Amino acid sequence: GENVEQHPSTLSVQEGDSAVIKCTYSDSASNYFPWYKQELGKRPQLIIDIRSNVGEKKDQRIAVTLNKTAKHFSLHITETQPEDSAVYFCAASPDNAGNMLTFGGGTRLMVKP
Amino acid sequence: DTEVTQTPKHLVMGMTNKKSLKCEQHMGHRAMYWYKQKAKKPPELMFVYSYEKLSINESVPSRFSPECPNSSLLNLHLHALQPEDSALYLCASSRAGRGEQFFGPGTRLTVL
Repeated sequence: GENVEQHPSTLSVQEGDSAVIKCTYSDSASNYFPWYKQELGKRPQLIIDIRSNVGEKKDQRIAVTLNKTAKHFSLHITETQPEDSAVYFCAASPDNAGNMLTFGGGTRLMVKP
Repeated sequence: DTEVTQTPKHLVMGMTNKKSLKCEQHMGHRAMYWYKQKAKKPPELMFVYSYEKLSINESVPSRFSPECPNSSLLNLHLHALQPEDSALYLCASSRAGRGEQFFGPGTRLTVL
C-alpha cells in the first residue's frame, strides 16, 4: 500500500517568514495530493490540493509543488501569520476520486508573533 | 447546508457496551468515510461507502460495524471495544469521483 513520509514534524517560524513542509510518497500510481490543516480540537480542513497532471498550484499565500519523478510534493506558506499555527497533514491517493487517502505523519507549525 | 455533523461529541463506554456513532451530511455527497485519529497522529481510513455501498474496508476489526442507511447518513456501530480503541472518530464526505473530503468535528470516544 501507499506510504507517505512528512517532514519536518515540527516547524517554528517568525511571523512574516515562509514555511515549507515536504512529503514523499511510495506508490507511483498516486495521482491526487491534498493538504489539510487541523487546528487544536478542530476537524481537518482542506487548504489546497494538486493532481498529478499539474506541477504547481497557488492560492493566495499557499502554494503546492509536485515532482512526480521524484515522488515528492511540498507545501509553501508565505507571509506566515499566527493564525497559520496548526498541524498540517499531506496525503496521497491512487485514484482521482481521492477515496483512498493515506496521510503523512503531520507537521506542527508554530508561527511566533 | 455545507457541513458534516457528528453525534455524539463525546462518548464513554465500557468494554461490554454497544453504542453507535452517527454522521450526517446534506451536501448531496455520495461518498462517505470513517477515520480513526489517535492523539498527535494522522487520520487513518477505516471504511469508505460509495453510493451507499461499502467499497473499502481497511481490515478493521469486526467490533466496528459500519452502516449507510441512506445517502445522507452514516453510522458506526461499536461492540466489545478495547481501551486501545479510544480515539477521535472522524466522518467525512465527498462528491463521488471528486477528491475533496469534508470532515465532521468528530466523536471523541473513551473505552474504559
